[in-house]
Amino acid sequence: EDQVTQSPEALRLQEGESSSLNCSYTVSGLRGLFWYRQDPGKGPEFLFTLYSAGEEKEKERLKATLTKKESFLHITAPKPEDSATYLCAVREDTDKLIFGTGTRLQVFP
Amino acid sequence: DVKVTQSSRYLVKRTGEKVFLECVQDMDHENMFWYRQDPGLGLRLIYFSYDVKMKEKGDIPEGYSVSREKKERFSLILESASTNQTSMYLCASSYRPGTTYEQYFGPGTRLTVT
Repeated sequence: EDQVTQSPEALRLQEGESSSLNCSYTVSGLRGLFWYRQDPGKGPEFLFTLYSAGEEKEKERLKATLTKKESFLHITAPKPEDSATYLCAVREDTDKLIFGTGTRLQVFP
Repeated sequence: DVKVTQSSRYLVKRTGEKVFLECVQDMDHENMFWYRQDPGLGLRLIYFSYDVKMKEKGDIPEGYSVSREKKERFSLILESASTNQTSMYLCASSYRPGTTYEQYFGPGTRLTVT
């Protein structure tokens, strides 16, 4: 069964139109939730790690939040350069990460 | 800055060839990982290593093997390449003991098997 589910699969935004990406997970003992950005043809780039419900992290126009069942990546006033695929991953009790399939974000000027 | 490098960005091989993909990290990380990424399937773990000469199978190890002779280098080997191994291959590394566990990725190798 799916342990990490990201939605929507794709999102088109106008420049400046804020929105949120969702990552829901069903692992029993969360030991970290990770957000990555991936540009076409490149490797994922690490953005944030969240460890406990209520935690928030920010970087420029991105803010990640965590609850007991899901995480949100909020994008405030996005720019075209924010266009990328955003990946979410969770860690249970090993050093391995379980990845979702990503949300492909396109921001149009 | 963490740097993970992969030996090739693009590779074209024939069915049945033995293929070596190399990965090097410069941050003294204990853990190293090999993934493949296919549209709609996300990143799937092939093998990982938590120390020199140590390895563990991931979710899809069939048709692959790995080698870690030095801490900074982790190699993925396709013993006899097949067309269903055409994919983007990503290497990653992370610290191990009691730290944050985020993985840092290389640029990827786009492998085509014809």
